[in-house]
Amino acid sequence: EVQLVETGGGLIRPGGSLRLSCEASGFSVSGKYMSWVRQAPGQGLEWVAVIYGGGTKYYADSVQGRFAISRDNSKNKVYLQMNSLRAEDTAVYYCARDQGQFETLWYFDLWGRGTLVTVSS
Amino acid sequence: IQLTQSPSFLSASVGDRVTITCRTSQGISGDLAWYRQKPGKAPNLLIYAASTLQSGVPSRFSGSGSGTDFTLTISSLQPEDFATYYCQQLTTFGQGTRLEI
Repeated sequence: EVQLVETGGGLIRPGGSLRLSCEASGFSVSGKYMSWVRQAPGQGLEWVAVIYGGGTKYYADSVQGRFAISRDNSKNKVYLQMNSLRAEDTAVYYCARDQGQFETLWYFDLWGRGTLVTVSS
Repeated sequence: IQLTQSPSFLSASVGDRVTITCRTSQGISGDLAWYRQKPGKAPNLLIYAASTLQSGVPSRFSGSGSGTDFTLTISSLQPEDFATYYCQQLTTFGQGTRLEI
């Protein structure tokens, strides 16, 4: 079955760090364009970060310098390292696959179920 | 670019035809997508490139538009369509349209 499964969420104090994992099955993340998208409680969707097939990375201004996206092709996983966490980072974090094969199309055709990150003292 | 959806809330009944609009702050190419998000679930891609139906999505969904104005139409609402809908262009999502019974 083609799917994405996120893990690693939880309760963390402001200023803390957390690493989210996204494990893919049914396809290889190698060469794929993979993003993280988050959704604060009761709010809309916010794109967070992308890793291109060739490894280039981009981030939303709100997380630039604090979050880092990476990929381990051997484990078929994508990660989101989150540092200096703030209350406003509280959200469900989704891993999403771009539909593009050789370029990013910014159409997310596969999503995981999400993992909840709560930043609170 | 900012995406503004209208309406933000919409009440309808099973079998109704509904249209949701997404207006961009500046003209874009047809690189616009629509998603449906059921409560407690991840979003699901419905339409991409403004008007192309994603594989597996029922034909009651259709998209149109160009420039700054795009629409998502559901021709005959089914119970599972009562959800929140988002438009998206590149890294930006609209604020969402909640469709309620």
